[in-house]
Amino acid sequence: GQNIDQPTEMTATEGAIVQINCTYQTSGFNGLFWYQQHAGEAPTFLSYNVLDGLEEKGRFSSFLSRSKGYSYLLLKELQMKDSASYLCAVRDSNYQLIWGAGTKLIIKP
Amino acid sequence: IAGITQAPTSQILAAGRRMTLRCTQDMRHNAMYWYRQDLGLGLRLIHYSNTAGTTGKGEVPDGYSVSRANTDDFPLTLASAVPSQTSVYFCASSLDSNNEQFFGPGTRLTVL
Repeated sequence: GQNIDQPTEMTATEGAIVQINCTYQTSGFNGLFWYQQHAGEAPTFLSYNVLDGLEEKGRFSSFLSRSKGYSYLLLKELQMKDSASYLCAVRDSNYQLIWGAGTKLIIKP
Repeated sequence: IAGITQAPTSQILAAGRRMTLRCTQDMRHNAMYWYRQDLGLGLRLIHYSNTAGTTGKGEVPDGYSVSRANTDDFPLTLASAVPSQTSVYFCASSLDSNNEQFFGPGTRLTVL
C-alpha cells in the first residue's frame, strides 16, 4: 500500500528553527510537495522537490532523498503566523497526490 | 472571480438527500480535483479531471459523481447522502497534472 508518515504535532519557539520530517512509501514517485494549512482554511503550496537535495525559498527550505524515501521541511526564524499544519504529499506513478495526515506546528512566544 | 471558488461554504443535510457541491476556477487550469479532509487523515482524492470532458476515480469515489462539461466548472454530487460523508470538501485545480494544485476555500458538509 501507499503510505506517508509525518509527526502528528510539534512545538517550537518563536525565532527558532524547526524541521518537519516526512517519510513515504508509494507506487512510483513523481515529486514531493509541501503545503501549509492554517486552521479552517485551504492548503496553500509551499515547495516542490523532484530531485535529491535542498530547495530554499526564503525562510522555508525543503529537502529530498529519493533513495531513503525521505523529505523534510525546514522553517527558520519562526513567527507566530507559522502556527499551522504542514502537509506532505507525494505524486505517484498515476500522477495523483498521496497525502500525509499533516503535522500541526505550535509556535510558543 | 479570482482563483477558485466553492459553494456553499457549509451545509447541513438530511441523510438520503441529494446534494451538489459547486466548484469554479477562472485560471484556465486543465486539471481539477475533489478531496475530502477528515480529522486525523490526509486529504483523500474522490474524483479528478485532467481536462474538460474527462473524469477519473480517485481513492474514495463511492457515493460521489462528477462532471466536467467545461474548463471552469467541476461539480461534485452526492446522490443520496449518508452520515459517513460528513467532512470538509476541497476542490483544487492545477495547470495540468504536473503542476502544483491550488485549493478552493472548502465546503463543510454535515449529514445527519
